[in-house]
Order: sequence, then C-alpha cells, then structure tokens
Amino acid sequence: NAGVTQTPKFQVLKTGQSMTLQCAQDMNHEYMSWYRQDPGMGLRLIHYSVGAGITDQGEVPNGYNVSRSTTEDFPLRLLSAAPSQTSVYFCASRRSSYNEQFFGPGTRLTVL
Amino acid sequence: AQTVTQSQPEMSVQEAETVTLSCTYDTSENNYYLFWYKQPPSRQMILVIRQEAYKQQNATENRFSVNFQKAAKSFSLKISDSQLGDTAMYFCAFMKLTGGSNYKLTFGKGTLLTVNP
Repeated sequence: NAGVTQTPKFQVLKTGQSMTLQCAQDMNHEYMSWYRQDPGMGLRLIHYSVGAGITDQGEVPNGYNVSRSTTEDFPLRLLSAAPSQTSVYFCASRRSSYNEQFFGPGTRLTVL
Repeated sequence: AQTVTQSQPEMSVQEAETVTLSCTYDTSENNYYLFWYKQPPSRQMILVIRQEAYKQQNATENRFSVNFQKAAKSFSLKISDSQLGDTAMYFCAFMKLTGGSNYKLTFGKGTLLTVNP
C-alpha cells in the first residue's frame, strides 16, 4: 500500500493563478480531509469528506474547493491563489471516526 | 468548540533523559480521543500515541507514555530515554466522538522538541 499520496511536493504560484493539489489513498478509507499548516498555528481543517459524493467545510474553507467523485481521490482546488494561501497542505484519511488518521507527506505552496 | 493548548513552544532535553510535554484542552464532551503526533524535519505527521477518554489507564507505547487527567483536561506526553531521532515538532490533538463534527482533529500549536547529544 502506498498509503496517502500527495502531488506535487512543492509549488510556486502567482497571485490569481488557479491550481489543484492532488490527494489519493489506497486504503479504502471513507474519511478524507485537507489541512493547512502555518507557523505557530498548528494544523487547521480546510475541507473534509465522509465518503464519495459528500464534502463539507472545515475551519478555513474560503478560497478552496473540493470534490469527492471516488473513494480514492480528494483533490483540493485553489480558485484564485492569494499570498495568504502560502502554506504547507496536508491530506489525511482514516477508515472511520474511530480509527487512526493517516497523513500524506504534504505540499509546500508559495504564492507570490 | 474544542480548543487545545500547548503552553511550551519549545523545549530541549539531553539525550537519554526524560522530558514531559504539556497539553490541556477545553471541551464539554465526555467521549473523545486524544492524540500526540510527531512531525520530524521530514514534515511527515506520525501518530505517537492515542488515548480514549473512557479508559482510565494511561496509554503507553514503548518509550512514550501519557498522563491523562480527565477532570483537569490535561494530556501530557512523557518521553523516556530521549533519542536524537525524537527531535521534532509534537502536536497534541483532540477528536470528539459524538454528535456532529466528529470528523476532524483539533490541533494544538505544537511544541518543538530538540534532543541534544
């Protein structure tokens, strides 16, 4: 099993550009989440999904969209990148509410 | 809403010694899990230990153990026989198990632990 994979590992964008951060898991987990990590802030939830076709907002959803067309994939879209979105982004998955959450390796995004 | 507080932004310890990282949380829930995650310089988030709130016995994993004080809402992590590889950022996290919003972990801001040779 590859676990949770994220691409790309690094990305630099210009203000106003759009892009999609990819996340995939091969563990047949129902729950998937996106977090951003900023210095001194810990990890904050952006969006989450409890199954294919079901998504909802977390703490900091503005400027981001998600979709969950399959169990395996949970892409995060930045609609119009802003410097405030410079961060490290983590995707995570778990089988259910009661199980361990597995994290991907993260994507470092810089918006100029 | 739940909050998690880690009052020590940075700590250091000598190799082979013991260190305790503090975590307090605020919740009105009775059923929840608590976690400690480790994030080494590689950036990978690694689960260190988990505690179910309904269990009175403190969780242990090899050199890692917790002191869970439910009434005080305290969840400290003790690392015994510290090793250089323990150098990392450590995050305390809370997850409630009942009602809505049982989908997410609420993280503290982290404690940077440095193990010195």
